[in-house]
Amino acid sequence: ETGVTQSPTHLIKTRGQQVTLRCSSQSGHNTVSWYQQALGQGPQFIFQYYREEENGRGNFPPRFSGLQFPNYSSELNVNALELDDSALYLCASSFTGQGVGGYTFGSGTRLTVV
Amino acid sequence: QKEVEQNSGPLSVPEGAIASLNCTYSDRGSQSFFWYRQYSGKSPELIMSIYSNGDKEDGRFTAQLNKASQYVSLLIRDSQPSDSATYLCAVRGGGGGNKLTFGTGTQLKVEL
Repeated sequence: ETGVTQSPTHLIKTRGQQVTLRCSSQSGHNTVSWYQQALGQGPQFIFQYYREEENGRGNFPPRFSGLQFPNYSSELNVNALELDDSALYLCASSFTGQGVGGYTFGSGTRLTVV
Repeated sequence: QKEVEQNSGPLSVPEGAIASLNCTYSDRGSQSFFWYRQYSGKSPELIMSIYSNGDKEDGRFTAQLNKASQYVSLLIRDSQPSDSATYLCAVRGGGGGNKLTFGTGTQLKVEL
């Protein structure tokens, strides 16, 4: 059983640029959620994708967008990067269906905006 | 009021002692409750989940849930230096739907 994989692990971007982060979900999972974790804070929910559609969104501006592909992998895109976007971006996969369960997190992408 | 509240710590306990971590939540409709452990610079790792009132034990870890008081706790028995990490409480369900809502985490330090 493969876990959740994220790429890249680290990224440095300049303010105003655009970035794409990628995530492959755990085998058997059909839902992907993205979180932003600033230093010293808990993860903040950005959005969730299920069946290739956005299925819930947190308090993030439209310049944060995403996609989910038929194989359940996902991308997070951030346009017009700001210094405050510097954070650890976490992808988590889960199964939406019968039963409940926790999320499995990937190792994260550390984004630094300069 | 924050949706999920935790004391940020640090909570310091001697090796071998019991560490008690607490969490309160505001949404009475929350249905699932989780504890994640996060080492510095790493991603959160699920260590316990609990869905009904009472205690749930797994090895050295015990999660306790009291929905009437909207309170979740995690006990770590025989604390080890390797338990030193930030512990994140997360809730799911209710008005939040399928998403996980996290607290800010409690930093635990187990001292030799």
